[in-house]
Amino acid sequence: RKEVEQDPGPFNVPEGATVAFNCTYSNSASQSFFWYRQDCRKEPKLLMSVYSSGNEDGRFTAQLNRASQYISLLIRDSKLSDSATYLCVVNNARDMRFGAGTRLTVKP
Amino acid sequence: NAGVTQTPKFRVLKTGQSMTLLCAQDMNHEYMYWYRQDPGMGLRLIHYSVGEGTTAKGEVPDGYNVSRLKKQNFLLGLESAAPSQTSVYFCASSYLSGGAGELFFGEGSRLTVL
Repeated sequence: RKEVEQDPGPFNVPEGATVAFNCTYSNSASQSFFWYRQDCRKEPKLLMSVYSSGNEDGRFTAQLNRASQYISLLIRDSKLSDSATYLCVVNNARDMRFGAGTRLTVKP
Repeated sequence: NAGVTQTPKFRVLKTGQSMTLLCAQDMNHEYMYWYRQDPGMGLRLIHYSVGEGTTAKGEVPDGYNVSRLKKQNFLLGLESAAPSQTSVYFCASSYLSGGAGELFFGEGSRLTVL
């Protein structure tokens, strides 16, 4: 079983839609959590950290449920420029473990 | 404003050949990492370094060696390339260890082993 699991998608949504991605992790000792964004054939870049109380950055909202070992990312009012692969990343106290990513395509 | 630079960006090797990937960062980061990315697998850590002169094994270290002779450089070597090492390789650096700090990635190196 992979340590970090994501629905691979693809998610195809119209502009303006709200879309949510989920991620589960298996290591209960995991300490910190992140969402990275990766554009096609580019390097990953940090989108946002995920805090226990949940956090928001503009149209993006991240939630963490430690009891269920579950992380989510909500994107409101999707833009064409949001099209990318979103990587769930978990720190297992020794190193960072990456999910395989969820691909999002936002269409006009 | 280079950040993390990887060379080469593309390389084709024959089975059994050797090569070295170079990663250079200009952010004075202590921590550096080499990942590989394969379809459906996510990024997997090969080796990492917590400072000049130190290296450690990650999740998938077999078939690779690394060196960190200078703080700004982290080299990844393949002594005898195999088709299973066909992948996209990413170098990253961070100011803080583990997951405490943001990872800054290079643009990636696409390696094909025939």
